[in-house]
Amino acid sequence: SQKIEQNSEALNIQEGKTATLTCNYTNYSPAYLQWYRQDPGRGPVFLLLIRENEKEKRKERLKVTFDTTLKQSLFHITASQPADSATYLCAPRGGSQGNLIFGKGTKLSVKP
Amino acid sequence: DTGVSQDPRHKITKRGQNVTFRCDPISEHNRLYWYRQTLGQGPEFLTYFQNEAQLEKSRLLSDRFSAERPKGSFSTLEIQRTEQGDSAMYLCASSLRSLAPSGANVLTFGAGSRLTVL
Repeated sequence: SQKIEQNSEALNIQEGKTATLTCNYTNYSPAYLQWYRQDPGRGPVFLLLIRENEKEKRKERLKVTFDTTLKQSLFHITASQPADSATYLCAPRGGSQGNLIFGKGTKLSVKP
Repeated sequence: DTGVSQDPRHKITKRGQNVTFRCDPISEHNRLYWYRQTLGQGPEFLTYFQNEAQLEKSRLLSDRFSAERPKGSFSTLEIQRTEQGDSAMYLCASSLRSLAPSGANVLTFGAGSRLTVL
């Protein structure tokens, strides 16, 4: 069955450093992969989408890579700020046309 | 448009009771999804609609769960004979289906309806 693993449940870093979150998937080949941010008590919010034929995507301080050989996506936040503290969810497209399958998420804490 | 709205935001019920959640998606979105999320887990897919047609249901969706989208606009998710294991956040999301072959579904989520079954 399709499986998604996000590298750790929690990541603590110092303000100004780069946060790197990992998403690994097995048993399928998604045409694209999305990253979402979720704050406590709220629904996830879309951040970035990367397609299988794209190696890297950037948006302001965010960067996503997609390695279909390794079946892995990396999500980077450069010059991290305390406001970046949240849970980040990886979501490769599911096997069907419609649904997204989400990983468990990585909770990022950025300390001032 | 104020985004995806869910009601109620919080529901506390006793085991065995029925509960219903409502979702109002973004008006121009033709797809609507229901997910369930428990503490420390990512959202788990339950079902989705394209317009009024329910196109996919997860095996997580037991016979006690039913979802409808009668006119292709708002949707309801009903849980009958609730159990303590149903306690979770129920998330609704909507998207606009892309007509491109490689089109991607970007989901806009509501704030969720938190269910507590005592």
